[in-house]
Amino acid sequence: KQEVTQIPAALSVPEGENLVLNCSFTDSAIYNLQWFRQDPGKGLTSLLLIQSSQREQTSGRLNASLDKSSGRSTLYIAASQPGDSATYLCAVLYNFNKFYFGSGTKLNVKP
Amino acid sequence: GAVVSQHPSRVICKSGTSVKIECRSLDFQATTMFWYRQFPKKSLMLMATSNEGSKATYEQGVEKDKFLINHASLTLSTLTVTSAHPEDSSFYICSAGDRVGYEQYFGPGTRLTVT
Repeated sequence: KQEVTQIPAALSVPEGENLVLNCSFTDSAIYNLQWFRQDPGKGLTSLLLIQSSQREQTSGRLNASLDKSSGRSTLYIAASQPGDSATYLCAVLYNFNKFYFGSGTKLNVKP
Repeated sequence: GAVVSQHPSRVICKSGTSVKIECRSLDFQATTMFWYRQFPKKSLMLMATSNEGSKATYEQGVEKDKFLINHASLTLSTLTVTSAHPEDSSFYICSAGDRVGYEQYFGPGTRLTVT
């Protein structure tokens, strides 16, 4: 059974700190892994998509890594800002139909 | 990126009534759309896969007679919650699949409250 786990469940940091969010998955036979941002009561905003053949992707202050062999991905946020406060979801695609989500990390960046 | 819309964004209905939620891909044709449900402070759970012109494929434990899915065109899928009950209250999100790279584009979600 495929499971996706995210730790920590919640994180509070002062503005300007660099931080790392973790995602682990039980089955390494993935097609891709995506990181999303979800604001309260809103839908999902895709942040980064890493294909199974890739090791990392970068977009602005965000960097996501993928280690399939160990079943892990990290999302690194540099120089965090209050506007980064949201829930971050990791999702793993095993085939075109099965997209498994982690339970998310709720991030609060304090000004 | 591709845009997926949902309508309505928020709906309140009485117990026993049916509610239809629309999911549209605005700038690409989606042969496959997906419906998810999100409980408060929980992650998204895939409910069903909607294929254009054919019957939807439901995940284990999802009642297909309660959650009717229709994918009438390459840009529209609908989810109808029939005879809704308070326990059906949830946040419903659709996504449309991009076969190239297998990226999924998500709609903004629909908050359903059944009183």
